[in-house]
Amino acid sequence: DAGVIQSPRHEVTEMGQEVTLRCKPISGHNSLFWYRQTMMRGLELLIYFNNNVPIDDSGMPEDRFSAKMPNASFSTLKIQPSEPRDSAVYFCASRRTGGRLQETQYFGPGTRLLVL
Amino acid sequence: AQTVTQSQPEMSVQEAETVTLSCTYDTSESDYYLFWYKQPPSRQMILVIRQEAYKQQNATENRFSVNFQKAAKSFSLKISDSQLGDAAMYFCAYLGGADGLTFGKGTHLIIQP
Repeated sequence: DAGVIQSPRHEVTEMGQEVTLRCKPISGHNSLFWYRQTMMRGLELLIYFNNNVPIDDSGMPEDRFSAKMPNASFSTLKIQPSEPRDSAVYFCASRRTGGRLQETQYFGPGTRLLVL
Repeated sequence: AQTVTQSQPEMSVQEAETVTLSCTYDTSESDYYLFWYKQPPSRQMILVIRQEAYKQQNATENRFSVNFQKAAKSFSLKISDSQLGDAAMYFCAYLGGADGLTFGKGTHLIIQP
C-alpha cells in the first residue's frame, strides 16, 4: 500500500497568499483527519471527515481555514489569506472505521508550510 | 476534555540500555485507545504501539512494550536494547469517543553511542 500521500511536502509563501494542501488517504480508509504541529501548541486536530462528510471542525482556527473532501480519495486544506502564524507542519491521517481493530490512524509525511 | 501529559521533555539513554518514557492522561471515558507514535527528524509520524483500554494485558512489539495502569491513568513506553535508530520524538496519544487523537507534548529521546 502506498500509504497516505500529501502534497506539497514543502511550501513557502508570502503573507496574504492562498495556500492549498492536498491529501490522498490510504485506499479503503473512510476517515480522514487534518492535524497541525507547531512548537507552541504541539499536535492538534483541525478537522476530520467520515465517509467524505465533515464531522468535527471545531479545531479549525478561524474562517481563513477551510477543508473539503470531494471524494473518498482526495481532500484539501485551504488557507486564505495565509498569515505568518500559520507556519507549521500539517499532517493528514486516515483510518478504516468500523471496529475495534481498525482504530489506528496512519499519517502522511506532512507538509511543512512557511508563511513569510 | 481529555488531556495527555508527558512530563519528560527530554530523555537520554546509552545504546543497548533500557529506557522508559512516561505518559499520563485524564479521561472520564471507560473505553478508549492509547498509542505511542515516533517522530524522527524526517517528521514522519510512525506508530510504535497501541493499547486498547479494555485489555488488561500490556501490549508488546519486539523491543517496545507498555506498562498500562488503567486505574492510575498511566501509559508508559519501555524501549529495551536501545538502538541509535530509536532516537526521535515520542508522542503519547489518546483516542476516545471523539474520533481525533489527543497528543501529549512529546519526549525527545537521545541515544548515546
